[in-house]
Amino acid sequence: QQPVQSPQAVILREGEDAVINCSSSKALYSVHWYRQKHGEAPVFLMILLKGGEQKGHEKISASFNEKKQQSSLYLTASQLSYSGTYFCGTDTGGFKTIFGAGTRLFVKA
Amino acid sequence: DVKVTQSSRYLVKRTGEKVFLECVQDMDHENMFWYRQDPGLGLRLIYFSYDVKMKEKGDIPEGYSVSREKKERFSLILESASTNQTSMYLCASSPPTGVRNEQFFGPGTRLTVL
Repeated sequence: QQPVQSPQAVILREGEDAVINCSSSKALYSVHWYRQKHGEAPVFLMILLKGGEQKGHEKISASFNEKKQQSSLYLTASQLSYSGTYFCGTDTGGFKTIFGAGTRLFVKA
Repeated sequence: DVKVTQSSRYLVKRTGEKVFLECVQDMDHENMFWYRQDPGLGLRLIYFSYDVKMKEKGDIPEGYSVSREKKERFSLILESASTNQTSMYLCASSPPTGVRNEQFFGPGTRLTVL
């Protein structure tokens, strides 16, 4: 039931790009993305609703493939401030959001 | 500035003790959630509440109970703490489903059960 995130961890140099994937076995109403920096609370990045929409937040964007029940988060020209753990949260309709195990992202200078 | 606060950042308890974790939000949100966060497992839902006095089990409710007597406050109770409940506990709130269910998280309580 928990969505599967890949990769589990990724190391980048500043300026490099990365893609984080989130896959569910259930039909999804929406997908959320959050970032958690070390020692801090998760912070909402964006939500994608059913319909294959793509959204952006600064140099971070995401897509939602409704047919495949998959979402991808794209980090472009990464900055040191992008380091943290990224979680996808899937919503099948209702009150609950089920989160993935997270992807740890390290950006080096 | 919207806020979710949790009563303690760090807590150390002994096995068998009754433990209360408190969460308060100031956004007048209907929905509130309790998660535990463990390395490699992400955020797992323990309980949630969609209204005062209403509660629903999440994915891992065993060993926990909750209370929501007022809209702004959601308490997590460990009836008899055990060592396998050592974890980071995160509270979150969100507006009603169907609007925009972004969740706002508190800073977390790191609970150690000895």
